[in-house]
Amino acid sequence: QVQLVQSGAEVKKPGASVKISCRASASTFSTYYMHWVRQAPGHGLEWMGIIDPSGDTAIYAQRLQGRVTMTRDTSTSTVFMELSSLRSEDTAVYYCARGVRNWVDYWGQGTLVTVSS
Amino acid sequence: QSALTQPASVSGSPGQSVTISCTGTSSDVGGYNYVSWYQQHPGKAPKLMIYDVTNRPSGISNRFSGSKSGNTASLTISGLQAEDEADYYCSSYTSSNILVFGGGTKLTVL
Repeated sequence: QVQLVQSGAEVKKPGASVKISCRASASTFSTYYMHWVRQAPGHGLEWMGIIDPSGDTAIYAQRLQGRVTMTRDTSTSTVFMELSSLRSEDTAVYYCARGVRNWVDYWGQGTLVTVSS
Repeated sequence: QSALTQPASVSGSPGQSVTISCTGTSSDVGGYNYVSWYQQHPGKAPKLMIYDVTNRPSGISNRFSGSKSGNTASLTISGLQAEDEADYYCSSYTSSNILVFGGGTKLTVL
């Protein structure tokens, strides 16, 4: 059974940073890419980026370049997504998802990040 | 990278078939056989329904099928059932080595 368990909801002020974790079952972690996707309230899915199985390479959506960092810790089968300089438009549910480069098959439960002064 | 274009909504009666389109460019949908489709029920995480244009993951009903012609991919759901009512998103790999999603289509089962 593939499981991706994400950290809990966060409330942040504008300008702050948030770091979300996503722990995967071991069989999932070592051979798959991990994506991050977010969904603002009432809106569609937005792809944020991907990190390769080794953690050596991450590719980010152009509009988030410079604000997002994805990392992975193979010792704990955990991936992290950090988003900085938060603004109200970053309020969304953030999902980690396992897959290959061109699709994802298992998703985490989602983490709600609220940005509000 | 612009989002792929999907109709905002489609509808159909139980037992009927519906098709959802997903239009991109030669840099994404048209350039690769890497279109996938996701189903999302309210308050739930998305679920993979189709990958690489036509392939169904294990456990997905054969009522769901995918196709592509040029820069437009399509998801067809046959024998509509009440539980098919959900939002559907397409996604494509792109020439920039990233993924892009469509804006989503709300399917209503009448």
